[in-house]
Formats: sequence, structure tokens, C-alpha cells
Amino acid sequence: DQQVKQNSPSLSVQEGRISILNCDYTNSMFDYFLWYKKYPAEGPTFLISISSIKDKNEDGRFTVFLNKSAKHLSLHIVPSQPGDSAVYFCAASYFGNEKLTFGTGTRLTIIP
Amino acid sequence: GAGVSQSPSNKVTEKGKDVELRCDPISGHTALYWYRQSLGQGLEFLIYFQGNSAPDKSGLPSDRFSAERTGGSVSTLTIQRTQQEDSAVYLCASSSQTGGYNEQFFGPGTRLTVL
Repeated sequence: DQQVKQNSPSLSVQEGRISILNCDYTNSMFDYFLWYKKYPAEGPTFLISISSIKDKNEDGRFTVFLNKSAKHLSLHIVPSQPGDSAVYFCAASYFGNEKLTFGTGTRLTIIP
Repeated sequence: GAGVSQSPSNKVTEKGKDVELRCDPISGHTALYWYRQSLGQGLEFLIYFQGNSAPDKSGLPSDRFSAERTGGSVSTLTIQRTQQEDSAVYLCASSSQTGGYNEQFFGPGTRLTVL
């Protein structure tokens, strides 16, 4: 049972434009969400997080939006840069549950 | 400062052999996690340590898998009698916080190939 879903395995975006990566979840207990970025042969690197008391969190070029009623979150990257090309994982957790539940990832390619 | 380190970076073994994978967490991080990523899949939780004890082992796929942590630091994941389906990248993460609202810092992983 896939509790965190990233339905787009890949996404290509022109440099300078906005990249939007989507994530859906089914477990209503989840109240903390994270995005990780992964380059080949490296471990995932934390990017940004959001708790369920917020609907938006911003950090530089990265913004995460949370729609609790739709059980949906998205990561916006603007403007997109070539160094943003990587696999992006959405992850979720809830208070008292130590493990992160990950989606299957979206491979983002930024076209120069 | 040093991040999470894992060794070996690559391991090729024959079916039926035992393997040990090592993780060195960030100094001072009390929480340590093991995950694995099979081809085309997301990261799958295996086990969580708080100090030297493992309150959550729910992700270990079978009794061939075991893990220990000593001195509140280094952890070893052992897979006995490896099978081809054990082939994956095994990732270790550590965190200074607990409670579920924590940013976990990942190591580079060990790529295990079982022939």
C-alpha cells in the first residue's frame, strides 16, 4: 500500500522557468512533510519541510504548498537552474512515528 | 563537519553469503535509521535506533536481517544468507531530534548486488 505517491516519474523544464513537483498521500495521520533531492551515487539531501499547521513554506527558490483537504503537496522551484536536475523525493511522517514514508521520486531535468 | 558515512560503498556477493554494512552517523546524533531503495522504488524504512536500542524494527523484511548499534554511534546492518531480492542501495540516516518532526541526514549508501 503506497501511502505517499509521486505519479510523475519524470519532468523536463526549461532553465529559468518554474518546476512543479507533485505528491499525494493517503494516510490522514501524516502531519509533517519533507522534500529531499538526490543526485546519482549520493544520499538524499534535505530540501524543505512543512508541518500541517501551515499551507505554505518558502526557502529561497523553493516553496512547498500543502493542501490538507486534498491530501496533496507540491514543490515549486523558481527559477529552475541546471543544478536542480536530480531526483526529488517527497516524504511524510507524524508525531511519535520516527520513520519517514517516501514516495517513489520524480526525476527532474532542467534543459539549458 | 563530517556527515553520515557508510561502508563499503559497493558490495557484490554471492547468493547465500552473509554481508555486513556499516554506518557512522553524525557525531552527537542520537537517532539512527536504516532504509533501502530497490530499483525504481522509493526509500523503504527498515529499522530505527534511539541510542543503542531499536524501538522500531517493523521494516526488517525477514529474520535474515538484523542490526545493532554500539556506543550510541556506529551501526551495523547484517543480512544473512543473502538472496537476489536483497539487491538494493542501503541508506543510513541520523538525526539529532526525535518525535517524528525531524530532518534526517543521509549517508551516500551501500549498493549491494547479490549474484
